[in-house]
Amino acid sequence: AQKVTQAQTEISVVEKEDVTLDCVYETRDTTYYLFWYKQPPSGELVFLIRRNSFDEQNEISGRYSWNFQKSTSSFNFTITASQVVDSAVYFCALPLGGYNKLIFGAGTRLAVHP
Amino acid sequence: GAVVSQHPSRVICKSGTSVKIECRSLDFQATTMFWYRQFPKKSLMLMATSNEGSKATYEQGVEKDKFLINHASLTLSTLTVTSAHPEDSSFYICSASPRDRGLYEQYFGPGTRLTVT
Repeated sequence: AQKVTQAQTEISVVEKEDVTLDCVYETRDTTYYLFWYKQPPSGELVFLIRRNSFDEQNEISGRYSWNFQKSTSSFNFTITASQVVDSAVYFCALPLGGYNKLIFGAGTRLAVHP
Repeated sequence: GAVVSQHPSRVICKSGTSVKIECRSLDFQATTMFWYRQFPKKSLMLMATSNEGSKATYEQGVEKDKFLINHASLTLSTLTVTSAHPEDSSFYICSASPRDRGLYEQYFGPGTRLTVT
């Protein structure tokens, strides 16, 4: 079955701390994509990254980095030197089979305090 | 970039009335649109897949007669919550997949917050 687990419900950090958000997934597919989205208080989903299962290289985009480990079915997201604007709910997602529809994890609510 | 709009952004309606929510892809054509529902502090739950020119495909447990979906054109899908009740109060989010892009490209609308009194 397709499943995404984000075990961390809420994380609270102080500004400038690094924080890692965990994502563990289950899939029957041999090739697949994984996504991370940010949902700020406004509610709109902001696309952060799409990762192909073929590519296990870690990705870095500014203060954001992603660690994809196929062996452990994990796709963790790290924010370096967190800022208050990073406060949001972060969702990891996996497409269902060969379809476009996404299965979302429960989300991790990140609070960054000044 | 690809932009998806939703209208209205917020709506309050009385119990028993119907509410229509529009989802538009503003700068691309979308053969497929998706409707999600999100309860407070919860994750997004896929309700249905809307394909242009054909009937929507509903996820298990979603009432077809309650949540009417129409995808009349390549840029517009509508979700009508019929005979709304307070338990239908939720945040509804649509997304759209461009017809000329690869698989798994999906753009989300800003969401519609429905409150049924």
